[in-house]
Amino acid sequence: AQTVTQSQPEMSVQEAETVTLSCTYDTSESNYYLFWYKQPPSRQMILVIRQEAYKQQNATENRFSVNFQKAAKSFSLKISDSQLGDTAMYFCAFINYNFNKFYFGSGTKLNVKP
Amino acid sequence: DGGITQSPKYLFRKEGQNVTLSCEQNLNHDAMYWYRQDPGQGLRLIYYSQIVNDFQKGDIAEGYSVSREKKESFPLTVTSAQKNPTAFYLCASSISTGGTDTQYFGPGTRLTVL
Repeated sequence: AQTVTQSQPEMSVQEAETVTLSCTYDTSESNYYLFWYKQPPSRQMILVIRQEAYKQQNATENRFSVNFQKAAKSFSLKISDSQLGDTAMYFCAFINYNFNKFYFGSGTKLNVKP
Repeated sequence: DGGITQSPKYLFRKEGQNVTLSCEQNLNHDAMYWYRQDPGQGLRLIYYSQIVNDFQKGDIAEGYSVSREKKESFPLTVTSAQKNPTAFYLCASSISTGGTDTQYFGPGTRLTVL
């Protein structure tokens, strides 16, 4: 069975600073994908970044980057130059290679303070 | 604009009533999904459909039913058999159910049982 764990229920960061959100997962699969989704107060789920497990290079999307440690089964999200609009719940998610079923973590609530 | 629409945004139901949540997509995606989100939790899969006239149970299908008569539509019925239906419901779609295909989410429906 796959599980995804986010151990930080809530975090705060000052505007313009950098913050890292943690995520660990457990799987026996060798091919899979990892995602970070953002859910702002509007409740819309927005894809932030995606990582293919077979790629060693960490994914980057503008101010968002990941630190993917496959052996440790760790997938953290770094947000640089935090902005007020980054305030949201952030969910880490795992998908098997063969089937597009999400396993979600419980989320981290990020508050960006002015 | 291509995307996923869900209606209504808010829905109130009396105990013992069935209600149907609408999900429409114009992305020409074959696969569609229904998720349930409870406070402080990630998403859990209710049902998914890989193609028209076919659907499969997810992790928490009891008390729910779906249909997929058209490619663009995947309505979810919450029946009176669902013991605790108050939750936020999200619909998603992807090109296929292969893990390589990103899921895109609708804006969600908040269901409250009175």
